[in-house]
Amino acid sequence: ETGVTQTPRHLVMGMTNKKSLKCEQHLGHNAMYWYKQSAKKPLELMFVYSLEERVENNSVPSRFSPECPNSSHLFLHLHTLQPEDSALYLCASSQGIADTQYFGPGTRLTVL
Amino acid sequence: QQQVKQSPQSLIVQKGGISIINCAYENTAFDYFPWYQQFPGKGPALLIAIRPDVSEKKEGRFTISFNKSAKQFSLHIMDSQPGDSATYFCAASTSNTGKLIFGQGTTLQVKP
Repeated sequence: ETGVTQTPRHLVMGMTNKKSLKCEQHLGHNAMYWYKQSAKKPLELMFVYSLEERVENNSVPSRFSPECPNSSHLFLHLHTLQPEDSALYLCASSQGIADTQYFGPGTRLTVL
Repeated sequence: QQQVKQSPQSLIVQKGGISIINCAYENTAFDYFPWYQQFPGKGPALLIAIRPDVSEKKEGRFTISFNKSAKQFSLHIMDSQPGDSATYFCAASTSNTGKLIFGQGTTLQVKP
């Protein structure tokens, strides 16, 4: 595997379910990001981790909970989501905070 | 002040023509302006980026023009090809935060 990978690629969940999105980067980077991409809206930064510490939390509802156990892996834990949370969730990584961000293919999430 | 406004929302160009996408920003602290290209089912990929110390940057058929006083920058795609059909996003950030602010995106269709 190369670059940034995300699993699953598609996820359908009910509002009472708990699920997790996984991101793995194979680039030796030190910073990782979660973005939300909704139709007809700009990409929204959700969380930033640098050296496994959260450095940005962009006013995201608590039903989204990130976890960065090491510099290669990033998770987004989901619980009691709303239908308006349906979107493409993108993970990205960069060497450092100020460097070029490389994106994964995203997880298409549908909340019923 | 954190917004980046992108236009047009969609663009249709004949093969061989010039595609032009424009972005405007308000925050004068922004010092990094990348353009990303996104194909369906893929994450955004960095296409070209510029910093405000230069007014133009060219890489192959892709050119960024930057006007610091007007707080505007644009992407020009010369000799547009059907393979360039994708969604293009401009973005801006201050280089010490890694917090990319994205435009709304432009869907480009290049007709053969």
